[in-house]
Formats: sequence, structure tokens, C-alpha cells
Amino acid sequence: GAVVSQHPSRVICKSGTSVKIECRSLDFQATTMFWYRQFPKQSLMLMATSNEGSKATYEQGVEKDKFLINHASLTLSTLTVTSAHPEDSSFYICSAPDRDPDTQYFGPGTRLTVL
Amino acid sequence: GESVGLHLPTLSVQEGDNSIINCAYSNSASDYFIWYKQESGKGPQFIIDIRSNMDKRQGQRVTVLLNKTVKHLSLQIAATQPGDSAVYFCAEKSSTGGFKTIFGAGTRLFVKA
Repeated sequence: GAVVSQHPSRVICKSGTSVKIECRSLDFQATTMFWYRQFPKQSLMLMATSNEGSKATYEQGVEKDKFLINHASLTLSTLTVTSAHPEDSSFYICSAPDRDPDTQYFGPGTRLTVL
Repeated sequence: GESVGLHLPTLSVQEGDNSIINCAYSNSASDYFIWYKQESGKGPQFIIDIRSNMDKRQGQRVTVLLNKTVKHLSLQIAATQPGDSAVYFCAEKSSTGGFKTIFGAGTRLFVKA
């Protein structure tokens, strides 16, 4: 099946700094990618839909100025957590559909810890 | 963001027994449903899916049942193995809702050897 990668797999940063997380589709092109956040012992919550060549669509309650999304190419979407705070510590997961829009391929996730 | 429910219920089964994991979904307009398995520190893995025009679908050792009347989904795992221990999420999509996949609350499955 198709492969989605994320980088880094883990990141620790100081409060107030910004962190960029990359999501790549390795063997297919994705005009759309999705970003999820998962707190411990909870479900995945959809944050935003990343659209290649246009603005991302954010879910209700997600601050677009805090979670900057850029989808500059058909294989790469980035999520930047700006001015990170300890409450932003979470597991961030991206996904992308292949040709069949119903088939989602998930990345391995990025563990963000903000000190 | 959207989600259905918080905090994970737990199901503990003996190795070799059958497991049944249940899920209530939220959107009556959803027409495609998926079960995912998530191991600790990893992204979700696809297990099985079902469309709303079906009420049952079988895979290898897994069966998904869909009851649209009560908006209920279940995953049955036959002859549960220690490697099945993980968190299981149901997810739903609507053809009118773009490509968004909305996840349910999840259930942690413990398999005792």
C-alpha cells in the first residue's frame, strides 16, 4: 500500500518556540492531506484539511494562526506549531488519500513535547 | 476539532476467545465506515471497512457489522491473539463531507495469554 512518512518522529522544544512537522506521501501524490492531534488515552481529533496550492481548512476551535499549514507540493504538507506551550504537547498524525478518496494512509505520528 | 467521545474503554479477553468491540457513530449522513488499529506510539492501521449499503463484511479473522437504524458499528475478532492487543477506533466518512475521516472514541483491547 501507499506510504506516508512524518518527520520528526519525536521533538522536544521549549515553551514559546515554533516547531515544524513534515508529512510526506512517498509513492503517490496527494492534493489533500489531513492533520490530527491525539492526546493520551484519547481519540484522534481532526485539526485541519491541507489543500495543495490553496489555504487549509481548519476545524472549529482550531486556531489557524497557531497551527500554520502549508501544502506547497503534491507530496508534502507541513504543520508549524507556533509559540508552542506545554498544552500543545500531543501526538500529531497526518494522513493522505490515494486515488481512492475513501482510502486514507496514515503517517507514523510525531510526538511533540513542550517544556 | 470533531471527535466522538473521549477516554478509552477497555476490553480484556483471553487468548483464543472472540472479541467484540462496539462503536456508536454520530452522523446519520455517514456512508462509509472504517475500523483502525493503533499500537502504542504509532499511526492508525486500516483493518476493515464497510459501506452503508451493507450490514456485514468479513475479512480474515475480522467481521464488521453495521446497524444504521441505531447508528452502531461493531468489530468482531475471531480467535484473538496477543498481537491483537491495541486500541481500536471506528471512523466514519460522509460523501457529502469531503474526504474527512472522523474518529470515534476507541477501545483498548488487552489479550491475556
